[in-house]
Amino acid sequence: AQSVSQHNHHVILSEAASLELGCNYSYGGTVNLFWYVQYPGQHLQLLLKYFSGDPLVKGIKGFEAEFIKSKFSFNLRKPSVQWSDTAEYFCAVCPSGTYKYIFGTGTRLKVLA
Amino acid sequence: ETGVTQTPRHLVMGMTNKKSLKCEQHLGHNAMYWYKQSAKKPLELMFVYNFKEQTENNSVPSRFSPECPNSSHLFLHLHTLQPEDSALYLCASSQGGAAVNGDTQYFGPGTRLTVL
Repeated sequence: AQSVSQHNHHVILSEAASLELGCNYSYGGTVNLFWYVQYPGQHLQLLLKYFSGDPLVKGIKGFEAEFIKSKFSFNLRKPSVQWSDTAEYFCAVCPSGTYKYIFGTGTRLKVLA
Repeated sequence: ETGVTQTPRHLVMGMTNKKSLKCEQHLGHNAMYWYKQSAKKPLELMFVYNFKEQTENNSVPSRFSPECPNSSHLFLHLHTLQPEDSALYLCASSQGGAAVNGDTQYFGPGTRLTVL
């Protein structure tokens, strides 16, 4: 069955530290890839997405993610986190040409001021 | 973000009750989704509607019955639920159409459902 794995369930960092959140998926075909974020008390919202072209995707608030097809991975990165990045981050995959979105379990990030 | 609204925000019901969840989107989208979010589990896609037609039913039990009267409204009718159905139910919408790639979903705040 298709699935998405987020390896870190909880991450705690100090401000200015670098961030990398892992995301791996199991699906053999072409996919669209997403990172969504949920800030405390807010709705889930899109952080960035990949569906074609340059595998290095830049999103809002200085986040970026790299699609490595050979590793079935779409890791999220930020060089220097801020306290305001405290949130829950969800990776999602959708086979191209479908609406069958599959989400990971999420990673809770806490950034200490 | 008030693009997708959901009512009620909280619902407590008994196993023999019948209730409905409502979702409305003000974004002019054509696709709408129901998700279930349980503790420590991935967000689970339940149903997808595209131009009012159901295109996905992710093996959801029949005690959950969706309805999409138009592209702006989506309902989830609930009857004879079980305690394990207690969860956060999220609605989302996206541009939709002929399986648009990279379609961004916009989520509502969710309805927190407790089944006693």
